[in-house]
Amino acid sequence: NAGVTQTPKFQVLKTGQSMTLQCAQDMNHNSMYWYRQDPGMGLRLIYYSASEGTTDKGEVPNGYNVSRLNKREFSLRLESAAPSQTSVYFCSGAGSGWETQYFGPGTRLLVL
Amino acid sequence: EDQVTQSPEALRLQEGESSSLNCSYTVSGLRGLFWYRQDPGKGPEFLFTLYSAGEEKEKERLKATLTKKESFLHITAPKPEDSATYLCAVQAWRNTGNQFYFGTGTSLTVIP
Repeated sequence: NAGVTQTPKFQVLKTGQSMTLQCAQDMNHNSMYWYRQDPGMGLRLIYYSASEGTTDKGEVPNGYNVSRLNKREFSLRLESAAPSQTSVYFCSGAGSGWETQYFGPGTRLLVL
Repeated sequence: EDQVTQSPEALRLQEGESSSLNCSYTVSGLRGLFWYRQDPGKGPEFLFTLYSAGEEKEKERLKATLTKKESFLHITAPKPEDSATYLCAVQAWRNTGNQFYFGTGTSLTVIP
């Protein structure tokens, strides 16, 4: 039981390049979330998926797209990376009721 | 406006010196309040969930309490291994599903 896993752990991109961050969970969570964490800003929600087949924007969705591939997997795509997207990205999962939220180990992204 | 505020931003304690961290919130439709611990370079790790005013939870040297507008994380006789950033998050129900609002955290350093 791995919990929430994220790949890659670290990535360097050039401005304008694209990439997809992968997230998978084996905890049977209905809801999944993508956050970014920047110094002094705390965790900010990018997109979330309340259940398989649905996705919604969070606080900072511009420049990102997501796909809820199935119940286990939720990917985050940067179509044209910008230096402002340099951050640490966390994926998490939670139940649809009162359950808590479990986080992956994060992906550190540097956009040059 | 939905907001979660943590104080202080940073706290230095001598080993054995008890103190409290504060989390105040202005979020409608509260379903739960969560405390997480985050070590450098890692994802947040779940500590407690509180659902209603007056509720208390304990784990080792940590005790979390909840009122209608704020929560406290009390640390009794801390040890150096308690050094970490402590995050507070509020869960609220919206039409599109669960939303989580995070504070910016309190960075705790416990000096031997």
